[in-house]
Amino acid sequence: NFMLTQPHSVSESPGKTVTISCTGSSGSIASNYVQWYQQRPGSAPTTVIYEDNQRPSGVPDRFSGSIDSSSNSASLTISGLKTEDEADYYCQSYDSSNQGVFGGGTKLTVL
Amino acid sequence: QVQLVQSGAEVKKPGASVKVSCKASGYTFTGYYMHWVRQAPGQGLEWMGRINPNSGGTNYAQKFQGRVTMTRDTSISTAYMELSRLRSDDTAVYYCARSYSSSSYFQHWGQGTLVTVSS
Repeated sequence: NFMLTQPHSVSESPGKTVTISCTGSSGSIASNYVQWYQQRPGSAPTTVIYEDNQRPSGVPDRFSGSIDSSSNSASLTISGLKTEDEADYYCQSYDSSNQGVFGGGTKLTVL
Repeated sequence: QVQLVQSGAEVKKPGASVKVSCKASGYTFTGYYMHWVRQAPGQGLEWMGRINPNSGGTNYAQKFQGRVTMTRDTSISTAYMELSRLRSDDTAVYYCARSYSSSSYFQHWGQGTLVTVSS
């Protein structure tokens, strides 16, 4: 079974840059696009990155995504951190059977 | 604008079934896939499956095979997710989410429906 592994939590100060990783368990993470969703408490998730590195309209360019095939991982980088970025972040992709897979989620604390 | 409006909270007993609806508006219902994702209290997101509203074709996560049924009614632009033989660990918020293809990202999400399974 294809799995995506994320760190449970990360923390950083306002104005700094943070990177959240998402590592694929098998195969090549580059085989299917990776998405990143932001979820604030009590709300539905929203997309911050789709198709590895694309930003939906309305998402600030402080958010960026990348793929590193050598480590079979995807990354979400948030620069110029703001307190409003504090949320849970989930990576998501599809396995070889075209079934959806989510990472376990990373709680970002901006302190 | 695109809207996905889900049905209200449900309380069910173990062994019962629940059917959650997701009414779409603001776009051509049959032009986009509908996925169902759930989130247990304090836990992460879990993909349950998807339906192609145009053909009715479905693809369910292995974990839910035999217990989940996804259907749609194109006349009222509504998708449904029915989960049977409920257990206490099925207590979760259930979301519908739209994608433009079978394996693309979830562009829009419903507001979520809390299903509580308790005796």
